[in-house]
Amino acid sequence: DAGVTQSPTHLIKTRGQQVTLRCSPKSGHDTVSWYQQALGQGPQFIFQYYEEEERQRGNFPDRFSGHQFPNYSSELNVNALLLGDSALYLCASSLERGLGHLFFGQGTRLTVV
Amino acid sequence: DAKTTQPPSMDCAEGRAANLPCNHSTISGNEYVYWYRQIHSQGPQYIIHGLKNNETNEMASLIITEDRKSSTLILPHATLRDTAVYYCIVRVDTSGGSNYKLTFGKGTLLTVNP
Repeated sequence: DAGVTQSPTHLIKTRGQQVTLRCSPKSGHDTVSWYQQALGQGPQFIFQYYEEEERQRGNFPDRFSGHQFPNYSSELNVNALLLGDSALYLCASSLERGLGHLFFGQGTRLTVV
Repeated sequence: DAKTTQPPSMDCAEGRAANLPCNHSTISGNEYVYWYRQIHSQGPQYIIHGLKNNETNEMASLIITEDRKSSTLILPHATLRDTAVYYCIVRVDTSGGSNYKLTFGKGTLLTVNP
């Protein structure tokens, strides 16, 4: 079992550009959540996808958007990048039905210059 | 979700038990206590969770006070590889629901020394 996989592992973008990050959930998981972790802080919830719909959203602007595909994989898109968007972006998967915990990927380190 | 309070850092000698405290005085009756840890440059890893009874698994033990206002994560024999940031989180678990959001604080940096 490959667990949760994210790509790319590192990325450098210029302010104002757009970026797409990708996530494949753990086998058998149907729910994907995205978190942003700034340096020295705990992860902050961005949003969660289940059945290809955004189910919950944290306090992030509309520049942050996502998508979930029929195979449960997911993308996080960020438009009009700001320097403050530099962070580790974490994807986590879980089962929608029943109690459970999240499995996190290794993250994508985004640097905006 | 209820807020938690953890010490910013702790030290522990290798081979000794590490006891990490967490205060969650505003916890609701239907909120669970979860512990995750994050080793440097990796994603968070689930450790253990509980509602009101003490729990034990292969990684750790979780002791929750009777009034549920605080808990302690115990790593019985800490190793150097246990050096990490440990997060205590409380959240509602609803079977069949979609509320899997985790609210992380800054956690406790546990340093295990040789």
